[in-house]
Amino acid sequence: SQQGEEDPQALSIQEGENATMNCSYKTSINNLQWYRQNSGRGLVHLILIRSNEREKHSGRLRVTLDTSKKSSSLLITASRAADTASYFCATDSVGYGQNFVFGPGTRLSVLP
Amino acid sequence: ETGVTQTPRHLVMGMTNKKSLKCEQHLGHNAMYWYKQSAKKPLELMFVYNFKEQTENNSVPSRFSPECPNSSHLFLHLHTLQPEDSALYLCASSQEWVQRYEQYFGPGTRLTVT
Repeated sequence: SQQGEEDPQALSIQEGENATMNCSYKTSINNLQWYRQNSGRGLVHLILIRSNEREKHSGRLRVTLDTSKKSSSLLITASRAADTASYFCATDSVGYGQNFVFGPGTRLSVLP
Repeated sequence: ETGVTQTPRHLVMGMTNKKSLKCEQHLGHNAMYWYKQSAKKPLELMFVYNFKEQTENNSVPSRFSPECPNSSHLFLHLHTLQPEDSALYLCASSQEWVQRYEQYFGPGTRLTVT
């Protein structure tokens, strides 16, 4: 079973609307990170939120973390066509070893 | 530009070939990573190097052989690959491995095994 799992798998919205993506995980974490990937390119780091934080902002991005529900959300406000990409959460689990896992991603399409 | 470069960007190789992927980071980071991204599968962490020492090998077949001569360079040597090894191979680096600081990714090498 996957540690990080995004929901929905795909999301299509109009420019100017807000986009919300969710990530659920199974084990205790040190931190959770969100990344963006444009088609066939490398990933770009967006935000890192630590287990003792509940909310972080960066420009039009807002990330929340609920450790009791083992879930995180990424909100993109006032979306633009350039936000079209795949968004991944990655969890750094407590413990040593193979603990850094990416979810399968949410494919966001922002239509002009 | 993220400060992480990868060459080549595209590679087509036969199953009997030997080739190498190269990654270089200009960020002064101490940890470097190889990931495999296949269609319709989550990103898979293959290897982790921290201060040139391999710290993780996630059950990767021996036909993939990593090499980290220094903290700025990372190679992935390929030999006797299978068609299912066709994927996007991504290199990343971070300040340190412990606590998984944010990772900076290269643009990837699109590998096709024929």
